[in-house]
Amino acid sequence: QVQLQESGPGLVKPSETLSLTCSVSGVSMNRYSWFWLRQPAGKGLECIGHISSSGTTNLNPSLKSRVTMSVDTSKNQFSMRLTSVTAADTALYYCARAQWDLSVDLTNFYYTDVWGTGTTVTVSS
Amino acid sequence: DIQMTQSPSTLSASVGDRVTITCRASQNIGRWLAWYQQKPGKAPNLLIYKASSLESGVPSRFSGSGSGTEFTLTISSLQPDDFATYYCHQYNTFWTFGQGTKVEIK
Repeated sequence: QVQLQESGPGLVKPSETLSLTCSVSGVSMNRYSWFWLRQPAGKGLECIGHISSSGTTNLNPSLKSRVTMSVDTSKNQFSMRLTSVTAADTALYYCARAQWDLSVDLTNFYYTDVWGTGTTVTVSS
Repeated sequence: DIQMTQSPSTLSASVGDRVTITCRASQNIGRWLAWYQQKPGKAPNLLIYKASSLESGVPSRFSGSGSGTEFTLTISSLQPDDFATYYCHQYNTFWTFGQGTKVEIK
């Protein structure tokens, strides 16, 4: 059974860096790619970015200048860092597994199928 | 950015009702659309992918249709466990979600 679990500090000060890790169990990380997403309280979902098992990333343009992602398949983990945080970054952060559809021209299109339970991050002094 | 617009934002219905939620994309996304169900305090749960493919383990009362810019999620006979918020999600170009449709008890 595939399980994902986010971990990281629940409270981050404004202008500092948020670091989160997602621990994966029940599946070989090399077979899949991975997502980070977030959801402010009472609001909708936002995709932060996608990372392949080899470390190639595709990041939300609105966050690209502040986000880095990395993957360590030997530890069954992947991570994200968000710099210069503000109150607007307060949210429930999720990691998720990417599943894929293949188009007729053999392009992969990725969507999420298994999610972690989420970790709440509050940005406040 | 591809914008996803769901309607309605809130839907009041009774057990046994047929429920339809619409999602419109700001540009053609082919069939690269998924639907998720989210309950309070829980992560979203995948229902439908590629516009109409039912995820394994999801009850057959859920169905999806559409292509291009217009999509629908239908629940054929609403069950008590189905009261939740539903999100559409395009994965044609980057990834964006609709704002959600809350299905509440009438």
